[in-house]
Amino acid sequence: GAGVSQSPRYKVAKRGQDVALRCDPISGHVSLFWYQQALGQGPEFLTYFQNEAQLDKSGLPSDRFFAERPEGSVSTLKIQRTQQEDSAVYLCASSLRGDEQFFGPGTRLTVL
Amino acid sequence: EDQVTQSPEALRLQEGESSSLNCSYTVSGLRGLFWYRQDPGKGPEFLFTLYSAGEEKEKERLKATLTKKESFLHITAPKPEDSATYLCAVASGGSYIPTFGRGTSLIVHP
Repeated sequence: GAGVSQSPRYKVAKRGQDVALRCDPISGHVSLFWYQQALGQGPEFLTYFQNEAQLDKSGLPSDRFFAERPEGSVSTLKIQRTQQEDSAVYLCASSLRGDEQFFGPGTRLTVL
Repeated sequence: EDQVTQSPEALRLQEGESSSLNCSYTVSGLRGLFWYRQDPGKGPEFLFTLYSAGEEKEKERLKATLTKKESFLHITAPKPEDSATYLCAVASGGSYIPTFGRGTSLIVHP
């Protein structure tokens, strides 16, 4: 069966550009999580959706980061006016209940 | 604030040489402790969830145990394909939002 997919897999942006990262969760999974992973670190929580409702966005580092899941399936993480410190791997995970999360392959964002 | 510390940072083993990875945690009201495996360039792969002290779970050559302060991931007779970074995470309170450790990088030499 299909797992979690993310696109693009790699994104290079010039500082100041806006980027949009897409996540297609496993069909039927209610919960969807976004994480940021720096090199050599564990994933850090950004935001969490249950269906279309964004229940927690406490991990978003600034108001330049915005996430949505309008129909309770596909989600998009948008970063406005990218900065070099935004360079990282962005991971998406989906889950039925939240305790067993299935991760996508991630999007590697490089901001020049 | 939940905290997770994993040790060692890196571990090199010979094939067949059993060992354990440690995950020490501080949490207010454990909801669950999670182990994931992450291969280079890929997202983490779920291994186990442990919910209460004394619980143990096994999968092939891996066994996870949990106390009130730490969890161990025991690897019995590892093979080169077990080489990966192993991540530990905890969730507390009413949600499954995890706090991850930095991981242990395991290399198993043939």
